Amino acid sequence: ETGVTQTPRHLVMGMTNKKSLKCEQHLGHNAMYWYKQSAKKPLELMFVYNFKEQTENNSVPSRFSPECPNSSHLFLHLHTLQPEDSALYLCASSQDAVSAYEQYFGPGTRLTVT
Amino acid sequence: GESVGLHLPTLSVQEGDNSIINCAYSNSASDYFIWYKQESGKGPQFIIDIRSNMDKRQGQRVTVLLNKTVKHLSLQIAATQPGDSAVYFCAENEGGNQFYFGTGTSLTVIP
Repeated sequence: ETGVTQTPRHLVMGMTNKKSLKCEQHLGHNAMYWYKQSAKKPLELMFVYNFKEQTENNSVPSRFSPECPNSSHLFLHLHTLQPEDSALYLCASSQDAVSAYEQYFGPGTRLTVT
Repeated sequence: GESVGLHLPTLSVQEGDNSIINCAYSNSASDYFIWYKQESGKGPQFIIDIRSNMDKRQGQRVTVLLNKTVKHLSLQIAATQPGDSAVYFCAENEGGNQFYFGTGTSLTVIP
């Protein structure tokens, strides 16, 4: 498998549930990202990991918790979400997070919070 | 703060015509720009990029033009095809990992 993969593709969860989103990149990249994409709004950068170290947290609420066990895998742990957190969550990777390189995106997880 | 916007939210073109999608940015320090294509149900797909030391770059059927004087970026698609129907958005970067994305222009190709 090549590129950036994300699972699950769709997720419906209640506000009291705990779930995790998974991202895997097969590109040999060293940086990984989580973005939130809401309708009619620009992509919002949430977290950045460079060589497994978190380098960016864009004021994301603590109900979103990222985890990067290695350069190829990235998780987003979700708990006690709000309905306004419903969105498409995109994972991306790039060569590194120091220089500006194009980011390759996964297909996203469509999250619905009920 | 950063501001990356698109002049038109929607664009309809006839199959075979050329398409031009525009993007304005406000940060004069931005020196790297990317155009992405996002089809329904998919993640954004890299199309073409350009750095600020260039004002034009061509790919296969696509051309990106950068006008740093007026902080304007455009994507030209030649001989637009139905498969080009998607949302296109630009992203700007002034160094490092922080990209700022536009909201997107929805391109519809009429057969």
